[in-house]
Amino acid sequence: AIQMTQSPSYLSAYVGDRVTITCRASQGIRSDLVWYQQKPGKAPKLLIYDASSLQTGVPSRFSGSGSGTDFTLTISSLQPEDFATYYCLQDYNYPYSFGQGTKLEIK
Amino acid sequence: EVQLVESGGGLVQPGRSLRLSCRTSGFTFGDYVMSWVRQAPGKGLEWVGFIRSNAYGGRAEYAASVKGRFIISRDDSESIAYLQMDSLKIEDTAVYYCASQTLVPATLLSNWGQGTLVTVSS
Repeated sequence: AIQMTQSPSYLSAYVGDRVTITCRASQGIRSDLVWYQQKPGKAPKLLIYDASSLQTGVPSRFSGSGSGTDFTLTISSLQPEDFATYYCLQDYNYPYSFGQGTKLEIK
Repeated sequence: EVQLVESGGGLVQPGRSLRLSCRTSGFTFGDYVMSWVRQAPGKGLEWVGFIRSNAYGGRAEYAASVKGRFIISRDDSESIAYLQMDSLKIEDTAVYYCASQTLVPATLLSNWGQGTLVTVSS
């Protein structure tokens, strides 16, 4: 099974900061990577698919990059509503696997 | 508008069974893969399994942690996906989400329900 290692687990930042979250796959997964945002008590929301494609309606301050084993999610200028937990998911093959999550908190 | 609504969660004793339902609307249910994902209290997301559309055989795949105990099925006439959970363990305690595939974007876990809580405890 493919393991997804996400870092950092916790990130504290100011409104307006640029932040980057990384996800590493234990084997190559092409660009079959999805990023989700989850707020407390809510279902995950799809942000980025195919590693770098922005889901319709998601602000352009979110971007994704990478292929193979190394991926990043970048938020260019944090807004108050961006403070949440972020997960990566590999949907290259099953069993599908999520990263452990990154909790982004306001400083 | 795509909607997914899970139901059937609750408190159940270890070793017992529970069936979750995911009622959907707003898309042609029978054409798409349906998945289940769970989240233990305070923990991350865990993929549980998915079921293919009947056009692709309707076969399901499962995470190792639930294989042999959980069964995913679908009723295309009612646009409902099911998760039958047998031999429940304490570690199965979680919020269970269903999710639907989309073709654009081509992702399996595009639209999500609000989740239903399953608590396994004596």
